[in-house]
Amino acid sequence: EAGVTQSPTHLIKTRGQQATLRCSPISGHTSVYWYQQALGLGLQFLLWYDEGEERNRGNFPPRFSGRQFPNYSSELNVNALELEDSALYLCASSSRPDSEGYEQYFGPGTRLTVT
Amino acid sequence: QKEVEQDPGPLSVPEGAIVSLNCTYSNSAFQYFMWYRQYSRKGPELLMYTYSSGNKEDGRFTAQVDKSSKYISLFIRDSQPSDSATYLCAMSSSVISSGSARQLTFGSGTQLTVLP
Repeated sequence: EAGVTQSPTHLIKTRGQQATLRCSPISGHTSVYWYQQALGLGLQFLLWYDEGEERNRGNFPPRFSGRQFPNYSSELNVNALELEDSALYLCASSSRPDSEGYEQYFGPGTRLTVT
Repeated sequence: QKEVEQDPGPLSVPEGAIVSLNCTYSNSAFQYFMWYRQYSRKGPELLMYTYSSGNKEDGRFTAQVDKSSKYISLFIRDSQPSDSATYLCAMSSSVISSGSARQLTFGSGTQLTVLP
């Protein structure tokens, strides 16, 4: 079974530009989660999409946005890039929860560098 | 105070040792607990998942949850050099389809090195 895939692996952008990151969940998973892992800040929750709708967002400015497509894949957009946006962006997916909850499986990440 | 506290290490042990990794948390609503392993510059890999209190064993790994003490542990038996990685605890409060329910809150990670 294929895991969560993300593209591109690396992305280099200039301050002020826009970045688009993509994620394909595990087959059968309907929820996609985005996390940011910046140096020294740990893993921080960004966004959660389920069945095509945004369910929750973390403490990030509105220039971080995204969407989920009918095939459950997802896109994260970061507008007006700032130097501190440089980080590893991780996508995770999960299936519908059962009586004992759910598990989030992560992809390999996209490393975004803003210069 | 952070919601989830984890000793960052680094922790260095000889091959074959038993490793104990721990996290404490303050939010009593947490009931789903996970341990992830992350190799350098890679995505986190789910190792163990536990619902509510109790123990769970999978091969060389044992996860323990003590909700009364708000304390979770991961034990690695017969540690191997390939276990050298950063270990992250994570937890969430609910599975409902709204709000902060499924948002994972992570510890800062413990860096483990197993020496051959």
